[in-house]
Amino acid sequence: DTGVSQDPRHKITKRGQNVTFRCDPISEHNRLYWYRQTLGQGPEFLTYFQNEAQLEKSRLLSDRFSAERPKGSFSTLEIQRTEQGDSAMYLCASSLIGGSSGRALGNEQFFGPGTRLTVL
Amino acid sequence: KNEVEQSPQNLTAQEGEFITINCSYSVGISALHWLQQHPGGGIVSLFMLSSGKKKHGRLIATINIQEKHSSLHITASHPRDSAVYICAVRSWGTGSNYKLTFGKGTLLTVNP
Repeated sequence: DTGVSQDPRHKITKRGQNVTFRCDPISEHNRLYWYRQTLGQGPEFLTYFQNEAQLEKSRLLSDRFSAERPKGSFSTLEIQRTEQGDSAMYLCASSLIGGSSGRALGNEQFFGPGTRLTVL
Repeated sequence: KNEVEQSPQNLTAQEGEFITINCSYSVGISALHWLQQHPGGGIVSLFMLSSGKKKHGRLIATINIQEKHSSLHITASHPRDSAVYICAVRSWGTGSNYKLTFGKGTLLTVNP
């Protein structure tokens, strides 16, 4: 399977615990995005990486959230001291941005299956 | 008001019916995506378009840039089409980040 994968698919935790999610993008993709989707809503942008560099963070990403992409391949999203309001589906997407002018090659984002977090 | 509005929020159809889902947006965009999300969360990209019309099998997507409106049509609907359909836009002014702004989705249920 050469698509975007996420691990775990489901996570149940108690309030106050730390959780970490992993996303493995399509191997040649240099862009990686994290989105959060709460029940009945569309996904909302959290942050994105170009290779290993984190280039933008949404104001939704409080200081309890941290994301890394240390080698420009897989990425992790950690939530510290989880709160019930963190319960959501966390989606990862990847795309390929390239060319000498930096123009997107199609710019299609490919999504992973998501990690559903439930904070009790 | 959300930047991306979808209608209807919920849609129930009988197998074989022609389905239309609408998306209106309030910002200038460089691309619009139609996405499908099945129970369990996985999202699949159906179309990405910036003008005109695209067709893939029984799915047709159209966009009118001047009216800031897009439609997703499903011909000869089938129960397996039951899913949430999400419209997402890449707006001008996002620079090179290409992040998407999503609508809330339309829950489609096709009954046999």
